[in-house]
Amino acid sequence: EAGVTQSPTHLIKTRGQQATLRCSPISGHTSVYWYQQALGLGLQFLLWYDEGEERNRGNFPPRFSGRQFPNYSSELNVNALELEDSALYLCASSLAVARSTDTQYFGPGTRLTVL
Amino acid sequence: DAKTTQPNSMESNEEEPVHLPCNHSTISGTDYIHWYRQLPSQGPEYVIHGLTSNVNNRMASLAIAEDRKSSTLILHRATLRDAAVYYCILRRAGGTSYGKLTFGQGTILTVHP
Repeated sequence: EAGVTQSPTHLIKTRGQQATLRCSPISGHTSVYWYQQALGLGLQFLLWYDEGEERNRGNFPPRFSGRQFPNYSSELNVNALELEDSALYLCASSLAVARSTDTQYFGPGTRLTVL
Repeated sequence: DAKTTQPNSMESNEEEPVHLPCNHSTISGTDYIHWYRQLPSQGPEYVIHGLTSNVNNRMASLAIAEDRKSSTLILHRATLRDAAVYYCILRRAGGTSYGKLTFGQGTILTVHP
């Protein structure tokens, strides 16, 4: 069974541009989560989508946004890129079961570099 | 979110048991204790979780203190592949922490051959 996939693997942008990152969840999973792993800041929760709706959002500015498509895949958009947005962006998926016990399965991440 | 405290780093020798501690003195009755690990250049992966009783699976064991203010992840025989950052995470069913995993600094485990 295929795991969570993310594309692209690497993305290089310049300050002020927009970046779009994509995630395909494990088949049958309806929830998609986005996390940012920046150097020195650790793994931080960004967004959670379930059944096409945004369910929770981390402490990030509105220029970080996303959506979930009817096939449960997801996009993360980062507008007006800043240098500090350079990070590994990780996507995870899970079955829509109890939120305190469901397992999140992570993809390999997209490395975003902002120059 | 309730906070967890873990040692920054630990070392072990291959094929020896490893006990990774986690303190969570402000844990609430509905918080589940989860452990994830992140191998080098990979996304995190689930290891184990529990509420009150000790838990075992094919990867590890989780020992939870009677007062639930601390827990220990036990790797019974460390291998080189177990070298990773281990995260102890508390998860609550609702509120502002709904759905998300809140990662702390984690413990960097080094396994020596």
